[in-house]
Amino acid sequence: AQKVTQAQTEISVVEKEDVTLDCVYETRDTTYYLFWYKQPPSGELVFLIRRNSFDEQNEISGRYSWNFQKSTSSFNFTITASQVVDSAVYFCALSESPHRNTGKLIFGQGTTLQVKP
Amino acid sequence: NAGVTQTPKFRVLKTGQSMTLLCAQDMNHEYMYWYRQDPGMGLRLIHYSVGEGTTAKGEVPDGYNVSRLKKQNFLLGLESAAPSQTSVYFCASSYSGRAEQFFGPGTRLTVL
Repeated sequence: AQKVTQAQTEISVVEKEDVTLDCVYETRDTTYYLFWYKQPPSGELVFLIRRNSFDEQNEISGRYSWNFQKSTSSFNFTITASQVVDSAVYFCALSESPHRNTGKLIFGQGTTLQVKP
Repeated sequence: NAGVTQTPKFRVLKTGQSMTLLCAQDMNHEYMYWYRQDPGMGLRLIHYSVGEGTTAKGEVPDGYNVSRLKKQNFLLGLESAAPSQTSVYFCASSYSGRAEQFFGPGTRLTVL
């Protein structure tokens, strides 16, 4: 069975600190996708990144970076120089194999990040 | 482009009442999904559809029904609401099973 674990329920940092959100997943599929979504206090879900299981290159987008390690089944998310606007709940999600073509996602429990000024 | 819209935004029901949540997307997406979000549990898939006229069960389908009569709409029905169905419901759509999903703003449902 597929599973996503975000062990950090809540994280609190002071502005400008770096913070890493952990995501560990379990799957028997050899091909899959991993995602990160952001849910700000307003409640909507915002797509951040999609990663194919064959692509283990780290990705950087501005202050955001993602570290995908297939060997440890982890897909961690780092925010550099955090800002108050980064305060949100962050979800990691795992898809079924694309061969099944359902797009079904399994979400982690979410990590609430609070960035204090 | 409105993206994914959901109606209503809020609703309060009494136990045993029925209601339908409407999801609409204007992105010509084939795939649509209904999730529920409960504290500490992330989002869980209720039902999904991979195309007009098709539906399938997700992780937590009991107590819900869905219909996808038109490509742009995905309806979620509660025939006899229960307090355990108090939750925030999100609809999402994507153009394929490999693509990212775009989410609606959510519907907050309370069942008394």
